[in-house]
Amino acid sequence: DVKVTQSSRYLVKRTGEKVFLECVQDMDHENMFWYRQDPGLGLRLIYFSYDVKMKEKGDIPEGYSVSREKKERFSLILESASTNQTSMYLCASSFPDSSGNTIYFGEGSWLTVV
Amino acid sequence: AQKVTQAQTEISVVEKEDVTLDCVYETRDTTYYLFWYKQPPSGELVFLIRRNSFDEQNEISGRYSWNFQKSTSSFNFTITASQVVDSAVYFCALKGGSNYKLTFGKGTLLTVNP
Repeated sequence: DVKVTQSSRYLVKRTGEKVFLECVQDMDHENMFWYRQDPGLGLRLIYFSYDVKMKEKGDIPEGYSVSREKKERFSLILESASTNQTSMYLCASSFPDSSGNTIYFGEGSWLTVV
Repeated sequence: AQKVTQAQTEISVVEKEDVTLDCVYETRDTTYYLFWYKQPPSGELVFLIRRNSFDEQNEISGRYSWNFQKSTSSFNFTITASQVVDSAVYFCALKGGSNYKLTFGKGTLLTVNP
């Protein structure tokens, strides 16, 4: 089975703190994603990575950065957390998109910024 | 532009009832892929099914069935003899051609009462 593991399920951080959300996948997938999920807004793509050290902005990249130093690991970084970044964050991975490969998701990380 | 509409925000049924979750999509791609995901209260998005635009065969998997109709741009999901464990948010999603991005509907919260 595909396994996408997010290191922290629940975090509480203070405004202005630097926050790291870590994600690891064990299926040798090239593609990795970070989504944000909010009530009434659904899932929105923050960043996408298609290879080590490669990244593309998604729909809502402002206030976020990412790091992919190894194929299996994709980190989401909030340089200076703000209360409007309180949300559920979902990491995902897949093989390259030559044929609509399925995207597999982790369990999510609930971040509260106070 | 791609769009997925799940018009039903919430559905409540009694156990053993059949329930259909609607999904309507918009895309200009001739090749595209449709997905359904289940999100239980634990938060993880669980992959249920993938369909490509050239395969309009309906699919049945146990109590779950999917009806894909290109003529109406719909990909509806039916649960037969619903159970309490089916309670979750269900998302329909669309990926066009070789685009990496998965566009989600806003989800339907299904509550199955005993």
